[in-house]
Amino acid sequence: QQQVKQSPQSLIVQKGGISIINCAYENTAFDYFPWYQQFPGKGPALLIAIRPDVSEKKEGRFTISFNKSAKQFSLHIMDSQPGDSATYFCAASGAGAGSYQLTFGKGTKLSVIP
Amino acid sequence: AAGVIQSPRHLIKEKRETATLKCYPIPRHDTVYWYQQGPGQDPQFLISFYEKMQSDKGSIPDRFSAQQFSDYHSELNMSSLELGDSALYFCASSLALKTGTSGSGDTQYFGPGTRLTVL
Repeated sequence: QQQVKQSPQSLIVQKGGISIINCAYENTAFDYFPWYQQFPGKGPALLIAIRPDVSEKKEGRFTISFNKSAKQFSLHIMDSQPGDSATYFCAASGAGAGSYQLTFGKGTKLSVIP
Repeated sequence: AAGVIQSPRHLIKEKRETATLKCYPIPRHDTVYWYQQGPGQDPQFLISFYEKMQSDKGSIPDRFSAQQFSDYHSELNMSSLELGDSALYFCASSLALKTGTSGSGDTQYFGPGTRLTVL
């Protein structure tokens, strides 16, 4: 059972466009939702994270939108650049869910074309 | 800023051999997590340690064991290696939440990984 569902699996965006990746979770005990960026052969790098007490968080070109009632959250990348081409993982964790282990979505491969 | 250090970065082993992966967390971080990532897959949680004690266990095979030492570094020991163990192994570290404070104990920072190839 996939506790965190991520879509789309792949995404192609024109340079300067907006990239949107969506995630939905099952476990209401989750209370921390990070996004990680991963380049091939490298470790996941924390991009931005949100907790359920806010509906939106913005850091530079990256914005997380969070809908607690729908159990959904999304990543928006504004003014997408070719250097943003990578795989993006949403994740969730929470002490109430048992531990702080991260449960990841399946990932979205983003390609930003010039 | 100092990051998580993992060694070795690449490791090639034969079936049925053993392997030891090492992880050095960010200074002052007291919690270590191990994840396994197969090709084209998302990272899967294996095991975690807080203050040198095992704090949680995920889908870690019985052939694997791990520990955290007094200097907070951790080692993942893998025995009777199988072809299916070929993967990227990541260590992540965090600073545990303290009671009564708004902490970020669940914020995990990943290392560069160890690529294990079993032939």
